[in-house]
Amino acid sequence: KAGVTQTPRYLIKTRGQQVTLSCSPISGHRSVSWYQQTPGQGLQFLFEYFSETQRNKGNFPGRFSGRQFSNSRSEMNVSTLELGDSALYLCASSLRGQGAETQYFGPGTRLLVL
Amino acid sequence: GNSVTQMEGPVTLSEEAFLTINCTYTATGYPSLFWYVQYPGEGLQLLLKATKADDKGSNKGFEATYRKETTSFHLEKGSVQVSDSAVYFCALRQSDSGAGSYQLTFGKGTKLSVIP
Repeated sequence: KAGVTQTPRYLIKTRGQQVTLSCSPISGHRSVSWYQQTPGQGLQFLFEYFSETQRNKGNFPGRFSGRQFSNSRSEMNVSTLELGDSALYLCASSLRGQGAETQYFGPGTRLLVL
Repeated sequence: GNSVTQMEGPVTLSEEAFLTINCTYTATGYPSLFWYVQYPGEGLQLLLKATKADDKGSNKGFEATYRKETTSFHLEKGSVQVSDSAVYFCALRQSDSGAGSYQLTFGKGTKLSVIP
């Protein structure tokens, strides 16, 4: 079974631009979560989507948004990029439900904002 | 709120040495506990997990036991290899799931370097 895939793997943007990252979960997984990883703050939860609905959101500004499609694929968007948005963005998928809480991570998209 | 505290790194060990990475947590109820590993330039891989008190998770020679009384989930391996060099993250997921959050709370990570 194929793992979680994320595209693109690397991105370079300039301040003020916007960016869209894509995540395809493991087949059959309907929950997709996004995390931001930086050297200073570590791994921080952005949001989770399940059945095309945002179920939970972390403490990030409204510039960070996401959505999920009917095939469970998810995208996250960051508008008006700031230098501090440079990070590794990780997507994780899970089945959701009792006893199925394990999240499986993709390789990440590394975003550099100049 | 939930939190995870890991021992500060980096940790440098010689091959075949014994490894312990301490992890303690703060959470209500009975969270599920995880250890993830991140190799250079890659995402996170699940190493092992435990979902209730006294459970022992194990994988690839690594072990961790869920200790409710000490709110700990320390990672151990009897004999490390150079290939174990990576960053290790302890994480928890709050137990009141169902329709609730699947959010993971992570520790800061511990970088392990194993030298031949």
